[in-house]
Amino acid sequence: QVELLQSGSELKKPGASVTVSCRTSGYTFTSYAINWVRQAPGKGLEWMGWINTNTGNPSYAQAFRGRFVFSLDTAVTTAYLQISGLRPKDTAIYYCARDAPGSVMMGDGFDPWGQGTLVTVSS
Amino acid sequence: QSALTQPASVSGSPGQSITISCTGTSSDVGGHKFVSWYQQYPGKAPRLLIHDVSDRPSGVSYRFSGSKSGNTASLTISGLQAEDEADYYCSSYSSSSALSVVFGGGTRLTVL
Repeated sequence: QVELLQSGSELKKPGASVTVSCRTSGYTFTSYAINWVRQAPGKGLEWMGWINTNTGNPSYAQAFRGRFVFSLDTAVTTAYLQISGLRPKDTAIYYCARDAPGSVMMGDGFDPWGQGTLVTVSS
Repeated sequence: QSALTQPASVSGSPGQSITISCTGTSSDVGGHKFVSWYQQYPGKAPRLLIHDVSDRPSGVSYRFSGSKSGNTASLTISGLQAEDEADYYCSSYSSSSALSVVFGGGTRLTVL
């Protein structure tokens, strides 16, 4: 079955960098885009952007331009989110989510989702 | 402040029907069909319930249905069950100046 498996929780100090991985299985990796979504503690969902798994071209929501980088390793069907210059307000659960089957436009359904990776930024 | 507006909470008794609204603008909800709904249990990842305003992925119960009128989309849950108690989020493609996806703030459903 289709599965997105994310890396484990991270505890980082302010200013550090972190990489979250999203290993996929059960489908053709290059056929569906991967999206990244953030959820701060006790808050709602926030779309960070997406990466075209065919071309490797990323697209970032306005609030996530600069310190956030999406990348791929197609050989191991894995997507990555790197965050640099971490700040306490970056503390959140980060989800990867695949475009749903039949999706024709960004936002046309995300399915399935990874289990989430908690990144905690604290001195 | 979220781009799409949802009620913070709704409640209903088992067997009843409830509706959660999601209000946006003509640049998002009102402008096209790319509206989705997600269910999220505490500590779990979201799950897709509805896409393209009213389409259910396979495996999603028929008790969940979606609709749209103007700039407001709605999720209706019929025959409420205790297991429906969760948070629900709407999302939409947005064709505003920065092409993006926007989410609602989420609605906590309590089954009384």
